[in-house]
Amino acid sequence: AQSVTQLGSHVSVSEGALVLLRCNYSSSVPPYLFWYVQYPNQGLQLLLKYTTGATLVKGINGFEAEFKKSETSFHLTKPSAHMSDAAEYFCAVSLRMNYGGSQGNLIFGKGTKLSVKP
Amino acid sequence: GAGVSQSPSNKVTEKGKDVELRCDPISGHTALYWYRQRLGQGLEFLIYFQGNSAPDKSGLPSDRFSAERTGESVSTLTIQRTQQEDSAVYLCASSLGYSGNTIYFGEGSWLTVV
Repeated sequence: AQSVTQLGSHVSVSEGALVLLRCNYSSSVPPYLFWYVQYPNQGLQLLLKYTTGATLVKGINGFEAEFKKSETSFHLTKPSAHMSDAAEYFCAVSLRMNYGGSQGNLIFGKGTKLSVKP
Repeated sequence: GAGVSQSPSNKVTEKGKDVELRCDPISGHTALYWYRQRLGQGLEFLIYFQGNSAPDKSGLPSDRFSAERTGESVSTLTIQRTQQEDSAVYLCASSLGYSGNTIYFGEGSWLTVV
């Protein structure tokens, strides 16, 4: 069975500092990997995803994540935090199927709330 | 519309009443999902529809919860005899349904049971 672990339910950084949000997965086959962001009182928005190819994935708002198979990790980073980055971030996985196979559901981590101090 | 649309956006109901939450997926999306998010917690999978296949209901927490989908369009999540622990945001999402596709979320229906 697949599972997702996000280390740290709450991360606080200063404006301009590096953002690092950790995500590890457990799966018999490397899954598809996603990061979503949820701003206060809003739905979830996709930041980035890894399906195949280059293991360093760039997303919106300057975020990027690197898939490391040996570490079963997909940590999210941003070189310089901005106040507008304050939100909750969710890592998620879905089962990797054969081409054209149906998707199945997303399994989410418990989320990490990012605070940015001025 | 361009995105996943949910209604109502907010619902306050009395304990014991039934509620219906509606989801309009993105046009052409064959896969539709319902998730629940309790205050301060992560997303809990409820149910998944994919085309004409039998839905994956493995996440429904009790028989008070049910969902239907008409073809590849609108879905309704019904909660019967609501309890206070049902208070949560109910998020609907849709996708093209193929492995690795992006799943797009609506803004949710906030349910408060008093």
